Amino acid sequence: AQSVTQPDARVTVSEGASLQLRCKYSYSGTPYLFWYVQYPRQGLQLLLKYYSGDPVVQGVNGFEAEFIKSNSSFHLRKASVHWSDSAVYFCAVSTGGNNKLTFGQGTVLSVIP
Amino acid sequence: DPKIIQKPKYLVAVTGSEKILICEQYLGHNAMYWYRQSAKKPLEFMFSYSYQKLMDNQTASSRFQPQSSKKNHLDLQITALKPDDSATYFCASSQDRWGGYEQYFGPGTRLTVL
Repeated sequence: AQSVTQPDARVTVSEGASLQLRCKYSYSGTPYLFWYVQYPRQGLQLLLKYYSGDPVVQGVNGFEAEFIKSNSSFHLRKASVHWSDSAVYFCAVSTGGNNKLTFGQGTVLSVIP
Repeated sequence: DPKIIQKPKYLVAVTGSEKILICEQYLGHNAMYWYRQSAKKPLEFMFSYSYQKLMDNQTASSRFQPQSSKKNHLDLQITALKPDDSATYFCASSQDRWGGYEQYFGPGTRLTVL
């Protein structure tokens, strides 16, 4: 069975600073990896996804993530955060057999103006 | 226009009662899902449906019953409600049920059981 760990429950950064949100997964095969964002009182929105190929994937709003197989990681990055990026970010994994998404605990991002 | 509609947005129920959560998707997708998010647990998968057939059930309790009357509908019936059922329930859909197809989520139904 697969699992996802987001070790940082909360991250606070200043506006304009760079950002990295950590995600590690556990799965013996080739995973499909996703980052979702949840704004207050809203559903989840897909930021980016990795299936195969270039390990660095670009997403919406300047986000990117890098798949490092040797480290079982899929960290999310952004070069310069904006206050509107404040939200909860979820890393998720699914496998080839079905499309059940397994989520991490989420990281609450607070951007200080 | 919203592509995945969940109704109602908020729901308050008493212990022991029964409620139905509605989900409709207008994305033309063939697979639909239910997830639950509570204060105690992260987002957890409940069910998946493909072409109106149950594909996967990860809920331990038979009190949770998905119902698919149309291809783009996947309702969730919850019977004998308990306070522990209090959570936000999200419906999602994807083009197909195989791994890797991105899932789109609805806005959720927040259920409170008193």
